[in-house]
Amino acid sequence: QVQLQESGPGLVEPSGTLSLTCTVFNYSISSGYYWGWIRQPPGKGLEWIGSLYHTGGTYYSPSLKSRVITSVDTSKNQFSLKLKSVTAADTAVYYCARFDEGGMRAFDVWGPGTMVTVSS
Amino acid sequence: EIVLTQSPATLSLSPGERATLSCRASQSVRSYLAWYQLKPGQAPRLLVFDATNRATGIPARFSGSGSGTDFTLTISSLEPEDFAVYYCLQRGHWPLLTFGGGTKVEI
Repeated sequence: QVQLQESGPGLVEPSGTLSLTCTVFNYSISSGYYWGWIRQPPGKGLEWIGSLYHTGGTYYSPSLKSRVITSVDTSKNQFSLKLKSVTAADTAVYYCARFDEGGMRAFDVWGPGTMVTVSS
Repeated sequence: EIVLTQSPATLSLSPGERATLSCRASQSVRSYLAWYQLKPGQAPRLLVFDATNRATGIPARFSGSGSGTDFTLTISSLEPEDFAVYYCLQRGHWPLLTFGGGTKVEI
């Protein structure tokens, strides 16, 4: 059973860079699928941040594109998110998930989520 | 960018009642729409994909319909565990994805 787990600092200072890693268990990232990041600010809805493929293709939300970088490390079976110049508005639960583009065309497996607070 | 508008924002119902949730897209997304259930402290749960197909293990009381710009998620008879927030997600303009704003189903 495929499982995903987010990890990274729970507190980031304003104007700093938020960095998260998603580790994939029981499935090799190199075997396929797209992978993505989604967040939910407190009291608000889900927001797609971006998606990536194991060969390096990356796709970002237009509203976040200027501040987001994602990458894959196939040797560690992980993918990562970096969000630059953060503000309090970036405080959210961040999820990583698998996108089944070749099948269900949806995020079908999710990590449990990790809360990141932007504050000094 | 495609905008998904979900309505109503909140649906107040009782167990056993029927819930009808709407998701409207600003442009056609064909049938490439999914529905998710989100409960506090949990990861989103995929309910329906490609507008009408139930995901594995999803009870038959959940059904999706629609295509193009208008979609509906119906819960035929609400169980206590169904009170949650529901989101739609479009991939009609891949690789750009969009979530709707959500509908809260409350008791």
